[in-house]
Amino acid sequence: GENVEQHPSTLSVQEGDSAVIKCTYSDSASNYFPWYKQELGKRPQLIIDIRSNVGEKKDQRIAVTLNKTAKHFSLHITETQPEDSAVYFCAASIIQLIFGTGTRLQVFP
Amino acid sequence: DAGVIQSPRHEVTEMGQEVTLRCKPISGHDYLFWYRQTMMRGLELLIYFNNNVPIDDSGMPEDRFSAKMPNASFSTLKIQPSEPRDSAVYFCASSLAGGFSSYNEQFFGPGTRLTVL
Repeated sequence: GENVEQHPSTLSVQEGDSAVIKCTYSDSASNYFPWYKQELGKRPQLIIDIRSNVGEKKDQRIAVTLNKTAKHFSLHITETQPEDSAVYFCAASIIQLIFGTGTRLQVFP
Repeated sequence: DAGVIQSPRHEVTEMGQEVTLRCKPISGHDYLFWYRQTMMRGLELLIYFNNNVPIDDSGMPEDRFSAKMPNASFSTLKIQPSEPRDSAVYFCASSLAGGFSSYNEQFFGPGTRLTVL
């Protein structure tokens, strides 16, 4: 079955810096790669997703890149703000989502 | 739409008791998923339904866990008997059918925080 690895597990950045979170997956049949943000005590919420026929997608300060050959995808957050502090999960999917282990991002003012 | 609704939001019970968690998916969504979240194991898929039919329950940890979806607007996850190691946040999520080549966003409910003493 699918296995998703996510790095780093924690990430601390200064406000205004960029943050990058990386994930790898094992099943080449996976075709959908969402990223979820989970604030403390809240539900995971989708922030951006990418499908296997696209290499890059951008939405304001966040972007995701996908390398299907290498089976890895990354989340990029630019100009980080304290409200970006949360746990971020990547996932890979054919039908059901298989989640990575999460990255706790802390943005210091 | 109110989004995915889960009840109760918090449940504290004693070991050996039966626990029933409830979920109402977003109207019109064809898929319903149950997840468990713990610090140690992260977000784990327990089971998912398509058009009320269980498709994959390989994530259900033990026979003590069971899930049903009697109709398109209601699902339950039952633990009987409950054990302290079942303590976790249980999320329900739903999504539209997207077909094999077009997957759609999963919307999560607020979760049920279960504590088994």
